[in-house]
This record gives sequence, structure tokens and C-alpha cells, in this order.
Amino acid sequence: SYVLTQPPSVSVAPGQTARIPCGGHNIGSKTVHWYLQKPGQAPVLVVYDDDDRPSGIPERFSGSNSGNTATLSISRVEAGDEADYYCQLWDAGSGHYVFGTGTKVTVL
Amino acid sequence: EVQLVQSGAEVKKPGESLRISCKGSGFTFTIYWIGWVRQMPGKGLEWMGIINPADSDTTYSPTVEGQVTISADKTINTVYLHWTSLRASDTAMYFCVRRAYGGNSQVAFNVWGQGTMVTVSS
Repeated sequence: SYVLTQPPSVSVAPGQTARIPCGGHNIGSKTVHWYLQKPGQAPVLVVYDDDDRPSGIPERFSGSNSGNTATLSISRVEAGDEADYYCQLWDAGSGHYVFGTGTKVTVL
Repeated sequence: EVQLVQSGAEVKKPGESLRISCKGSGFTFTIYWIGWVRQMPGKGLEWMGIINPADSDTTYSPTVEGQVTISADKTINTVYLHWTSLRASDTAMYFCVRRAYGGNSQVAFNVWGQGTMVTVSS
């Protein structure tokens, strides 16, 4: 089955840019989505179709996808961006949906 | 307002059966696929399966296939997740999700229910 690998944690200072990688075999040929989840809450979609933002999501959130890595970038990081972030895609080979292992973003 | 509202928390014993629900409102229920996502305590998100409420076409993750049943009642805009015999390892938060509208399976889950906590303990 298709595997999406994320680092368990990323730390970033306020005002800097956080980059969260999501690794998968030839992931650049697939369509990747990103969700954030704050403690005790349901996940929220923050980037879809590799690099689009749903309405209401700040422009500080952006995505890219190429080769074997998709990346969620959060610019001008704020304390309120602390959350767990998950990448996700649909794997055509299996017909199943896959979530990444998740990354906890800590704002220093 | 577009929303998915899930049934309340459950505490059950091993071997018992359970059905939790997810009711959609604010959108045309039968044109969206609805899925279930599991999150075990302190762990990540895990896709369980997805159903088309219009015709009940369903796909399961191999991890849960045979362990749970996903069903839908389109007359009341509701999708269910059913266990016939719970195990302690089924203890988790369960989210229902709406797949975005589109002609392919690659689209995102753009609406999430609030989650239903299921605790299985003797």
C-alpha cells in the first residue's frame, strides 16, 4: 500500500516560515491535500489540489508538489498555527485514500 | 450552513455491537461521497472507508474491511458506521467526512463532522 511519510515534529520561530514535507513514491504525479488539527478539534482542510486554498484560509498557507515530496509552507508563522498537520491523497493503484503520518508544528 | 453532525460519545463493552451516525445538512446529500476516518488515542488519521449515499457503493480500507460496515439512508441524509462485535482496539475518535464535489476520487475531504468518541472497555 502507498505510504506517506512526514517528520514527527517541526519547530519554527514566530514570523519565520515553516516547511512540512510529505514524502511518497512519485508523489508529484498525484494530487495532495493538507489538513491541520488542533487539540480536541476536528481536522480542517488548509490546502487542496497541491496548492489551492479553501476560502477563509490565510494566504500564509501554501503548497507545492514535485518528485517524491509534497510540501506545506506556512509563512509568517503565528502562535495560533501550532497544530498537527497531515498530508493526504487518493492512491489510484489501490483505489484507497491515504493520510500521512502527521507533523506537530511547534512555535518557539 | 453545510455541516455533518455526528452522534454522541459511546462507552461499550467488548463483544457488543454499535452503530454511530453522521447526518448531513445544507447540501444535496446524494451527490457527495461520505467517508469515515479513525483516530486512535494520541495517533494520526486513518481512512476507513467511503460510501456513495446515492447507490450505497462502498470502498473499505484493507485495515478495517470485514470489521465494520458503512451504510447510508439517503432518505434522511445519514451515513452509519457499524460494528457487530467491538474490541478494545476499536477505542478511538471517529470522524465522518464529505468528499468535495468532483468527477474523480482525487478531491479533498472538505467538510468534517465533529467526531464521535467510542470507548470499548470491560
